Amino acid sequence: DAMVIQNPRYQVTQFGKPVTLSCSQTLNHNVMYWYQQKSSQAPKLLFHYYDKDFNNEADTPDNFQSRRPNTSFCFLDIRSPGLGDAAMYLCATSGRDYGFNEQFFGPGTRLTVL
Amino acid sequence: QQQVKQSPQSLIVQKGGISIINCAYENTAFDYFPWYQQFPGKGPALLIAIRPDVSEKKEGRFTISFNKSAKQFSLHIMDSQPGDSATYFCAASKGNAGKSTFGDGTTLTVKP
Repeated sequence: DAMVIQNPRYQVTQFGKPVTLSCSQTLNHNVMYWYQQKSSQAPKLLFHYYDKDFNNEADTPDNFQSRRPNTSFCFLDIRSPGLGDAAMYLCATSGRDYGFNEQFFGPGTRLTVL
Repeated sequence: QQQVKQSPQSLIVQKGGISIINCAYENTAFDYFPWYQQFPGKGPALLIAIRPDVSEKKEGRFTISFNKSAKQFSLHIMDSQPGDSATYFCAASKGNAGKSTFGDGTTLTVKP
């Protein structure tokens, strides 16, 4: 089945220790998104890529960076995680077949910062 | 400025009842209004979506009602079941960017 895969599902890191979350997709979608979702809150968009074109949301902290080496993979790097970065990180994709509006979400990576 | 406001924050409904969740938006450029369903520990999944050229869309037990003049849309779940217990997010986007602005979510509990 075509899908969005996120690894790891659970990540524990120490305060200030860099961490990388990964996302892969078999949908061949042009657009990939990274969202941060804190408990009982709505997903908050951090970045999105249209193909290789990177788009950063204005209020995304500099501590967060992203890489998309090819169509299938996208990475979220948190350079110096703080306690406030503990959250669920969701990867999503959208494609031309659905007018780029319908987003397909992965299961998320839950990040714990000790 | 919150562009999409969702209510209620939580909702408890008896099995077989109707669940109604409401959203209001501010940006008249929005042209796609999806509802996502999220179970604990899972990512959101598209449930149903509507464009502003229609006032209602129905898929099975799920219906979106859309009021363009009032800038409001709502999700109705008929014959609610315990398996519908989840968090529901409304969202809105414009153009082909696909970037969605989400409401704050509604936690629905359907009691057996």
